[in-house]
Amino acid sequence: RKEVEQDPGPFNVPEGATVAFNCTYSNSASQSFFWYRQDCRKEPKLLMSVYSSGNEDGRFTAQLNRASQYISLLIRDSKLSDSATYLCVVTLILTGGGNKLTFGTGTQLKVEL
Amino acid sequence: EAQVTQNPRYLITVTGKKLTVTCSQNMNHEYMSWYRQDPGLGLRQIYYSMNVEVTDKGDVPEGYKVSRKEKRNFPLILESPSPNQTSLYFCASSPLGRANEKLFFGSGTQLSVL
Repeated sequence: RKEVEQDPGPFNVPEGATVAFNCTYSNSASQSFFWYRQDCRKEPKLLMSVYSSGNEDGRFTAQLNRASQYISLLIRDSKLSDSATYLCVVTLILTGGGNKLTFGTGTQLKVEL
Repeated sequence: EAQVTQNPRYLITVTGKKLTVTCSQNMNHEYMSWYRQDPGLGLRQIYYSMNVEVTDKGDVPEGYKVSRKEKRNFPLILESPSPNQTSLYFCASSPLGRANEKLFFGSGTQLSVL
């Protein structure tokens, strides 16, 4: 089983739609969770951190379910500019210091007119 | 402007010809890291550095070297590149390398080894 798994998509949705992505992780000791956005062949950029209580930033809502070991990203009122690949990132704190970030392979979103 | 600068943006080389990809950050970050990104595999960590003169292997270090002689620079060295090192490479940094910190990425280097 992969450490972090995402549905690669693509998710093709009309403008204005609501779309949700899930990401599962295998290590229950994982500490921190993030969603990054990556436009084609460009650098990933942090979209939002994911907290146990859930968090919202405008049209974006992130949730963490530790019991089932998944995180989710909900995008409401999709815009054409939301078209990108969304990367799930999970961090594990290592014994002896340091931490290990594991990236999912990404979910591709295409928002269409 | 706070940024991570990678050079070159594109590089085509031949098998066995040593090359260096440079990475520099101007944010006084202690933590720096190199990743490669391949289709279907996501970003995989090559090496990371928690501070000057401190470097550690990531998940895929074979065939790569790094050095951290100054806080701002973290070059990636391929002593004898091979075609399986053709990939998109990203350098990244964060203030202290803590689990809850945002990573700042460079704009990437597309490497082709013929």
